[in-house]
Amino acid sequence: DAKTTQPNSMESNEEEPVHLPCNHSTISGTDYIHWYRQLPSQGPEYVIHGLTSNVNNRMASLAIAEDRKSSTLILHRATLRDAAVYYCILRGGSNYKLTFGKGTLLTVNP
Amino acid sequence: GAVVSQHPSWVICKSGTSVKIECRSLDFQATTMFWYRQFPKQSLMLMATSNEGSKATYEQGVEKDKFLINHASLTLSTLTVTSAHPEDSSFYICSDDAGPNYGYTFGSGTRLTVV
Repeated sequence: DAKTTQPNSMESNEEEPVHLPCNHSTISGTDYIHWYRQLPSQGPEYVIHGLTSNVNNRMASLAIAEDRKSSTLILHRATLRDAAVYYCILRGGSNYKLTFGKGTLLTVNP
Repeated sequence: GAVVSQHPSWVICKSGTSVKIECRSLDFQATTMFWYRQFPKQSLMLMATSNEGSKATYEQGVEKDKFLINHASLTLSTLTVTSAHPEDSSFYICSDDAGPNYGYTFGSGTRLTVV
């Protein structure tokens, strides 16, 4: 499985933008980049995913590098409810499994 | 979007007993579902892939006779922890298989405590 590398933790202030990086230098051409987040004692929640182009949805934006070896999840205005562990995962076309790494623990300060 | 309902949200059982966890797809038919386990302060670890109408596929190191998976219908997959021991205490989570170009939907998780 192609692996991803994320910082262990990041800190942000409420109502400020947050950029969560993810490196995936061994990504293959058919791998989609998925982002999920997990609040304490809850199952993960889908945030966003993309293949090559940048993506926007109501929760966040996903910026994908031109060579696809890295991506950045952007929360435009962090709220206290955004405090969670964020996972960046590669989901290949032929490999249906999601392999979770350690993720990034995002702390949002009031 | 898809809705996955997991029940119970928490359970406490005595050592040696069995516990069944249910995972239901409420608004779609799920031919495949996944079961994960998460220990405190750790990430999710895939345990097995549940396939409707056929045997589950277990990840390496997961005892298939201990963690029984049944996927008898397109809307229900169950995980039974047999002869539970304290080391089986964990957070168990199920998800659908949405495909690469869709977001996966996860259940809310089941906290199992074996005493």
